[in-house]
Amino acid sequence: NAGVMQNPRHLVRRRGQEARLRCSPMKGHSHVYWYRQLPEEGLKFMVYLQKENIIDESGMPKERFSAEFPKEGPSILRIQQVVRGDSAAYFCASSPGQGAGYGYTFGSGTRLTVV
Amino acid sequence: DQQVKQNSPSLSVQEGRISILNCDYTNSMFDYFLWYKKYPAEGPTFLISISSIKDKNEDGRFTVFLNKSAKHLSLHIVPSQPGDSAVYFCAASALNRGSTLGRLYFGRGTQLTVWP
Repeated sequence: NAGVMQNPRHLVRRRGQEARLRCSPMKGHSHVYWYRQLPEEGLKFMVYLQKENIIDESGMPKERFSAEFPKEGPSILRIQQVVRGDSAAYFCASSPGQGAGYGYTFGSGTRLTVV
Repeated sequence: DQQVKQNSPSLSVQEGRISILNCDYTNSMFDYFLWYKKYPAEGPTFLISISSIKDKNEDGRFTVFLNKSAKHLSLHIVPSQPGDSAVYFCAASALNRGSTLGRLYFGRGTQLTVWP
C-alpha cells in the first residue's frame, strides 16, 4: 500500500538545463496536485490535474513550466531552461476525488537545486 | 498576496504543557481548513481538519477551533510531546468554489519545539 511516490528525491541541474520531476499517485487516486515550497515559505499551489486533463494551472509560471498526467504512467512536472530561482522543494499530492474534503496525501518531495 | 497567515514563525513549549498554534485568513470564501505537520525532508502529513459549519473539532490530543467572525483558527495540542516537534502548516480551501476546488492555500508555517 505505497503512498505517493516522488522521484528523484534530490535533483541538481545547471542553469539552462531541463528538470523532470515525477509523481506516482496512491493507488485509486486520479487527482494530482503539484505544490512548490521556496525557502522559508509555505507551499504554493502550481497545478491540478486529472488523468489526461489539466484542471487548474493558474499557479504555474507562464513560461518554462509544464505538467502532464498521462493515461498511463506518473504525472510529470517539467521545467525547461532552469534558473537559480527555480531551486525549491516540489511536492506532489493525490486524492481520490475533487476537493480538499477527500483528503490529500503528499509525497516526500523533490528538492531541486540549480547551480 | 498571502491569504493564509501564520504570524508566529516559531513556538517553544515544555513537554506536558499545551501548544497553541494560530492562523488567520483573509478570504471569506474559505470554508474548509486543515492542519498539516511536516518533518524535515518529508512531505506534509495531515493532522486534523474543520469545516466552516463547525467551530471545534477534536481528535485525541489535537483540537482545532474556528472563529469565522474573526477569520481565525487555532490548533491546540495537549499534552505536548517531544515527538510533536515539527513545522505546522495551516491550510484553507474553498470547497464550494468550482474554479479553485482542488487548491489548498498554505500559511508559512510555525516551527514547534517541545522540550523535555
